[in-house]
Amino acid sequence: DTEVTQTPKHLVMGMTNKKSLKCEQHMGHRAMYWYKQKAKKPPELMFVYSYEKLSINESVPSRFSPECPNSSLLNLHLHALQPEDSALYLCASSQDGQGAGQPQHFGDGTRLSIL
Amino acid sequence: GQQLNQSPQSMFIQEGEDVSMNCTSSSIFNTWLWYKQDPGEGPVLLIALYKAGELTSNGRLTAQFGITRKDSFLNISASIPSDVGIYFCGNNAGGTSYGKLTFGQGTILTVHP
Repeated sequence: DTEVTQTPKHLVMGMTNKKSLKCEQHMGHRAMYWYKQKAKKPPELMFVYSYEKLSINESVPSRFSPECPNSSLLNLHLHALQPEDSALYLCASSQDGQGAGQPQHFGDGTRLSIL
Repeated sequence: GQQLNQSPQSMFIQEGEDVSMNCTSSSIFNTWLWYKQDPGEGPVLLIALYKAGELTSNGRLTAQFGITRKDSFLNISASIPSDVGIYFCGNNAGGTSYGKLTFGQGTILTVHP
C-alpha cells in the first residue's frame, strides 16, 4: 500500500465545474509535489511545496490552483479545465525538497476526465 | 533543461529472460533513481543510487551508477510476469532546482509466460 493517499481515484467533470484533488501523507515529509501524467508518458512536474510554501510552479495555467494547508495535506483546485487536461494527476512527497537526490514517494493518482 | 535519454523504449521478452535498460544524460548527476509504474498505480521507487560506480541490488533487480556520472543501467534477472510495467529512470536536480525530479521517457516491459 502506498503511503501517499490521493482522493478521489477517478473524477469526471465538465469544463465549467469546480473540483479539488486531495493528497495526504503521514511520513513527516516536508516537501510535496503535483505531477501530470499522460498515458505511457513520464510524469511532468507541475508544482513543488517545501515547508508549506510554493517553491516551484512549472508555468502551469491558472485554472490549476495548488494549496498546502499543512505539512501533511496538499490540494489541487480545478476550475474551467479543458479536454486536454484529462490525465492522471499524481501527488508525491519527499523529506524536505532541499537536498538533491531525495527520493520522492508517489500516490496512486487521480484519473481525471474532462467532458 | 536537463534531458534523460532512456532506452529501449519497449521490450517484449519471454518469462525467465534477463532484461537490461539504461539512461544517459549530457549532464553530470549526483544521484540516479529507478521507478516502476504498474497500470493504474503511481510510480514506485525500486533503487536509489548516490555514488559514482555504485552497484545496488534489490532482489532480482540490479542498478549501477555510471563512473562518468552521466549514465545508469537497470538489470532484471529471470523475469516473471509481474515484472510487466513501465520503468523510469529519474534524477533530482540540485542548485536552484531542488525538488525537480526529471524522468526518462520510460521503458515499457512486456513479459510473455
